[in-house]
Amino acid sequence: AQSVAQPEDQVNVAEGNPLTVKCTYSVSGNPYLFWYVQYPNRGLQFLLKYITGDNLVKGSYGFEAEFNKSQTSFHLKKPSALVSDSALYFCAVRDMKGGSQGNLIFGKGTKLSVKP
Amino acid sequence: NAGVTQTPKFRILKIGQSMTLQCTQDMNHNYMYWYRQDPGMGLKLIYYSVGAGITDKGEVPNGYNVSRSTTEDFPLRLELAAPSQTSVYFCASSYPKGLAGGETQYFGPGTRLLVL
Repeated sequence: AQSVAQPEDQVNVAEGNPLTVKCTYSVSGNPYLFWYVQYPNRGLQFLLKYITGDNLVKGSYGFEAEFNKSQTSFHLKKPSALVSDSALYFCAVRDMKGGSQGNLIFGKGTKLSVKP
Repeated sequence: NAGVTQTPKFRILKIGQSMTLQCTQDMNHNYMYWYRQDPGMGLKLIYYSVGAGITDKGEVPNGYNVSRSTTEDFPLRLELAAPSQTSVYFCASSYPKGLAGGETQYFGPGTRLLVL
């Protein structure tokens, strides 16, 4: 079965330090991977995606993610965290099941808390 | 562009009541989706549509109905509200890229529903 796992419910980081939010996936074939961010009382906003090509993907707000096929991971990273990065982060994979028409399978989300 | 808009923002229903959650997008996207978000559970797909007149069930369709009479609108109907339907509902849309996949989904701000 296709799935996405975010092993950490919460990640705490001090402002200015690097941050990593972890994501692993299980799909058949080549994965299409996404990161979305949700600020309080808001809808999800697209951050970045991996479809093919360079394993290091750069996205919005200084975030990047590294696709690692051997470890089936797609961890989200940022070199220097800001307090304003505090939010809920979702990893997602495109459902590759026939007829799914681009549906996304989401992880449970990881709450990122950046302290000053 | 307003993007994806949802109404209402918040609603309290009594058990057994019915209501329609409205969703409209002005990006001429063919694909539209309805998700529900429960704490610690990520997003679950309720229904999706690949174009006007075409809808299909997602992972958790029971208790809901949808219609897609126009490209812009994708209302979600709850016929007999139950406490288990207390959740935050998000509508999303995307433009299909066929076999290339990888289309980004754009989310509305959400509707918070409380069933008592």
